[in-house]
Amino acid sequence: EIVLTQSPGTLSLSPGERATLSCRASQNFDGVSLAWYQQKHGQAPRLLIYGASSRPTGIPDRFSGSGSGTDFTLTISRLEPEDFAVYHCQQYGISPITFGPGTKVEI
Amino acid sequence: HVELVQSGAEVKKPGASVKVSCKASGYTFSSYYIHWVRQAPGQGLEWMGVINPSGGSSTIYAQRFQGRVAMTKDPSTSTVYMELSSLRSEDTAVYYCARKWIGDACDIWGQGTMVTVSS
Repeated sequence: EIVLTQSPGTLSLSPGERATLSCRASQNFDGVSLAWYQQKHGQAPRLLIYGASSRPTGIPDRFSGSGSGTDFTLTISRLEPEDFAVYHCQQYGISPITFGPGTKVEI
Repeated sequence: HVELVQSGAEVKKPGASVKVSCKASGYTFSSYYIHWVRQAPGQGLEWMGVINPSGGSSTIYAQRFQGRVAMTKDPSTSTVYMELSSLRSEDTAVYYCARKWIGDACDIWGQGTMVTVSS
């Protein structure tokens, strides 16, 4: 199965700063079947990015996804107070679906 | 309003089974597959399997749960179920259902069901 590694484990930033989160896959899949989710404490995950770089309706444009092959990035251009959370990447190109361990973005 | 509403928290003894429900509303039930994902305390997300709510009995289970998990549906109530048997302490987790949207990205998630396995 594809193992996803996320780095850093924890990112300490301030509101207004830029956050760059990495997700690396142990092998190539189709290069686009990657999603990012935001999860706040005690809540279900929320879809932020699908297809590596597409945003669902309602997701602010400060969130952007990029990458291909085995290396993917989630960028939050200017952190808002509500963006402090855990971010998970997910690959769905090759079964079984797998998730990364998450990156915590904290103040 | 599109939502998935799950059943309440469960406490089970080792060796027992648990059945979690996930009721869909606000959209055509048969049009979207439902995934099940779990999250142990302080851990990441783990995919368990997926069910096609439309006709037949199409399910795909993660290999590590094969033989222990069963996903079923009741179209008359727009509800899917996930039953996990032979529970052990390591199965203590929050269990989520989630709607498959584009590819297998999940756009709508249930609120989660805490399952605690303890003697």
